[in-house]
Amino acid sequence: ETGVTQSPTHLIKTRGQQVTLRCSSQSGHNTVSWYQQALGQGPQFIFQYYREEENGRGNFPPRFSGLQFPNYSSELNVNALELDDSALYLCASSLGAGEETQYFGPGTRLLVL
Amino acid sequence: KQEVTQIPAALSVPEGENLVLNCSFTDSAIYNLQWFRQDPGKGLTSLLLIQSSQREQTSGRLNASLDKSSGRSTLYIAASQPGDSATYLCAVRLTGTASKLTFGTGTRLQVTL
Repeated sequence: ETGVTQSPTHLIKTRGQQVTLRCSSQSGHNTVSWYQQALGQGPQFIFQYYREEENGRGNFPPRFSGLQFPNYSSELNVNALELDDSALYLCASSLGAGEETQYFGPGTRLLVL
Repeated sequence: KQEVTQIPAALSVPEGENLVLNCSFTDSAIYNLQWFRQDPGKGLTSLLLIQSSQREQTSGRLNASLDKSSGRSTLYIAASQPGDSATYLCAVRLTGTASKLTFGTGTRLQVTL
């Protein structure tokens, strides 16, 4: 049991809207990474937060932003949604930024119409 | 830029067969390599993690090998079962890149009765 939870499980939005996805880390984990997984593809790294600070970012535009809270839960915000943003969004938590074992949540399935 | 390739993209085998999944990566400066399992529409479950200094790891019917110099890893599944049906993803972490994982596109495995 990983202990990482994500909400909501599914979401439908229209192009141009904004969306917020949430992730609760496993107890004691201070690092959260977010990934986007398009249908039939492997997950792509969006960014990582370590102790409330961004600690690395993948090749995603600024309209993808995040937050990490003092309790180490996290949000992924996407502005000006595009059709290609339709994907499974996964978060993963770990004990530290250098800790190799990441525990993944079940994901949020986002559909942009 | 690290690229990870998995072959084959899909595989169907009868129950009881032994099988090998392949993963190749372009940058040999890896910190570790990890194999994950993903059931349809679900998150990722870590199966095996191989450190860059290791050659292989075993867990039950699973054995993963790593040849860093040739940029290859294999996942061997012995005596396959219908419950092994899932998508298998390999992911590499480069040295000095926090916990960012670069994933392959996966091999979709179906084990038939």
